[in-house]
Amino acid sequence: KAGVTQTPRYLIKTRGQQVTLSCSPISGHRSVSWYQQTPGQGLQFLFEYFSETQRNKGNFPGRFSGRQFSNSRSEMNVSTLELGDSALYLCASSPITGEQETQYFGPGTRLLVL
Amino acid sequence: AQSVTQLDSHVSVSEGTPVLLRCNYSSSYSPSLFWYVQHPNKGLQLLLKYTSAATLVKGINGFEAEFKKSETSFHLTKPSAHMSDAAEYFCVVSEASSASKIIFGSGTRLSIRP
Repeated sequence: KAGVTQTPRYLIKTRGQQVTLSCSPISGHRSVSWYQQTPGQGLQFLFEYFSETQRNKGNFPGRFSGRQFSNSRSEMNVSTLELGDSALYLCASSPITGEQETQYFGPGTRLLVL
Repeated sequence: AQSVTQLDSHVSVSEGTPVLLRCNYSSSYSPSLFWYVQHPNKGLQLLLKYTSAATLVKGINGFEAEFKKSETSFHLTKPSAHMSDAAEYFCVVSEASSASKIIFGSGTRLSIRP
């Protein structure tokens, strides 16, 4: 099976712009989670989608949003970008939702905000 | 509330010697615990997970971890380090009752000396 894919892999934006990142989960996986990884804050959970519904949300401002489509593909949007949004954004999928589920991670999208 | 602490930000060992990466956790309920590895410019890969079955968990690449409830620890070990083990390692706690669902430790960078 193909792994989790994320597009684009690299992105440069300027402050105030918005950005949309895409994640295609492993075939058959219905849960998609998003994480932000920065040198200062480490890995932080953004949100999880399961069957097109947001199940959990981390402690991020409303500028960060997401959605999931009927084919389980997910998009994450960040509006009004700030310099501090520069990070590696990781997407992970699992077959179902639940705290015991193994998550399979994609390679990430590296976002640089200038 | 759940939390996870990786006690060492950097560990350096010689090739062929044992590896010990320390992780302590805090959880109000019976958590699931994971170790993930991240090689440079790559996504995260699951090494092993504990989900209330056997307390000694064996993972990939010769790694194993022991769940010790009395010490609230989940340390990762490997008998003999290999150069390819050089990477960042993350201890993760996941709890069903938590809205944030999954908490990552700050990571331990493992270096292997020839």
